[in-house]
Amino acid sequence: RKEVEQDPGPFNVPEGATVAFNCTYSNSASQSFFWYRQDCRKEPKLLMSVYSSGNEDGRFTAQLNRASQYISLLIRDSKLSDSATYLCVVNTGFQKLVFGTGTRLLVSP
Amino acid sequence: DGGITQSPKYLFRKEGQNVTLSCEQNLNHDAMYWYRQDPGQGLRLIYYSQIVNDFQKGDIAEGYSVSREKKESFPLTVTSAQKNPTAFYLCASSMARQMDGYTFGSGTRLTVV
Repeated sequence: RKEVEQDPGPFNVPEGATVAFNCTYSNSASQSFFWYRQDCRKEPKLLMSVYSSGNEDGRFTAQLNRASQYISLLIRDSKLSDSATYLCVVNTGFQKLVFGTGTRLLVSP
Repeated sequence: DGGITQSPKYLFRKEGQNVTLSCEQNLNHDAMYWYRQDPGQGLRLIYYSQIVNDFQKGDIAEGYSVSREKKESFPLTVTSAQKNPTAFYLCASSMARQMDGYTFGSGTRLTVV
């Protein structure tokens, strides 16, 4: 089993739609969690950290379920500019982050 | 502005040639990392370093070497022993324990010609 697993997609949604991505992780001792965004042929950029209580940043909401070992990202009112690959990232406590392979989102007019 | 700089942006290597990719950061971060990304694939860890003069192999270290003589710098050498070096190489840095995630450089695209 991979340490961090994501549905690769692509998720094709129209503008204005709400879309959710899930990610599961295998190490129950994992300490911190993040969502990164990566545009085509660019470097990943931190979108948001994920806290146990859940957190929101504008149209983006991240949630953590430690009991079930999954993380979610919800995007409301999708924009064309949201088209990208979203990487789920986990700090397993072994001095490095573990990256999922990413979920591709395509938002169409 | 603080950040992490990779150079060059594009690099072409001949068969059997060693090349060195530069990574410099002025964020005062303790840890630095090198990843490789192939088309349509996730990030794979090559090497990482938590402190100066110390580094550890990642998941795909064969054919690569690194040094960490200064806190700010973590160059990666792609040696001739790396049989399939064409890829997008990303350098990242973080504070110790990675509680705030990584900051990435803009990457170097290496092509074997």
